[in-house]
Amino acid sequence: EPEVTQTPSHQVTQMGQEVILRCVPISNHLYFYWYRQILGQKVEFLVSFYNNEISEKSEIFDDQFSVERPDGSNFTLKIRSTKLEDSAMYFCASSVNSGVETQYFGPGTRLLVL
Amino acid sequence: GESVGLHLPTLSVQEGDNSIINCAYSNSASDYFIWYKQESGKGPQFIIDIRSNMDKRQGQRVTVLLNKTVKHLSLQIAATQPGDSAVYFCAEIKDDMRFGAGTRLTVKP
Repeated sequence: EPEVTQTPSHQVTQMGQEVILRCVPISNHLYFYWYRQILGQKVEFLVSFYNNEISEKSEIFDDQFSVERPDGSNFTLKIRSTKLEDSAMYFCASSVNSGVETQYFGPGTRLLVL
Repeated sequence: GESVGLHLPTLSVQEGDNSIINCAYSNSASDYFIWYKQESGKGPQFIIDIRSNMDKRQGQRVTVLLNKTVKHLSLQIAATQPGDSAVYFCAEIKDDMRFGAGTRLTVKP
């Protein structure tokens, strides 16, 4: 069964550094998403991406964040100048259409900012 | 066993018992709801969904009930198995998807 993959599984970084989290969505999917889950808290929507542009973003997704689909397979989340409070699990998801019911989630990247 | 909203984040049941996990949602205009299962170290996994024009939907061993009057959603798992142990959370969708905090279900053999 096709699945969304994410790398790395764990990332430790120093405060102020930039990180890039990578995702490979399911190959025939057209819609891509990033979510984050701070330890012990709710999963939060960050951004959705379609046709090479952001279609929706939450208030969390400020200028510190950016997304990119650099090639035909990867979907990345860049966090500039990381802060301690960026420590969380970051999930990528993809779907064939815009329906949330068809979103498939990756295993997540655990980011720890020291 | 039964959990009450998000104020009881853990639910422990015996294998074979039925489980009921509850969720209180916030937006009365939400028109679509999903239950997700999240196992340790994994991403959320879709379990079952329901649209706001329905009040019940059944899956293989799961049933979702929607009470729009009190903005309440429940997930019933029949004959709970050890493999059902996970965090379960609901999501409500209107213009975006908002997740609940989740309930940790532990199934004792």
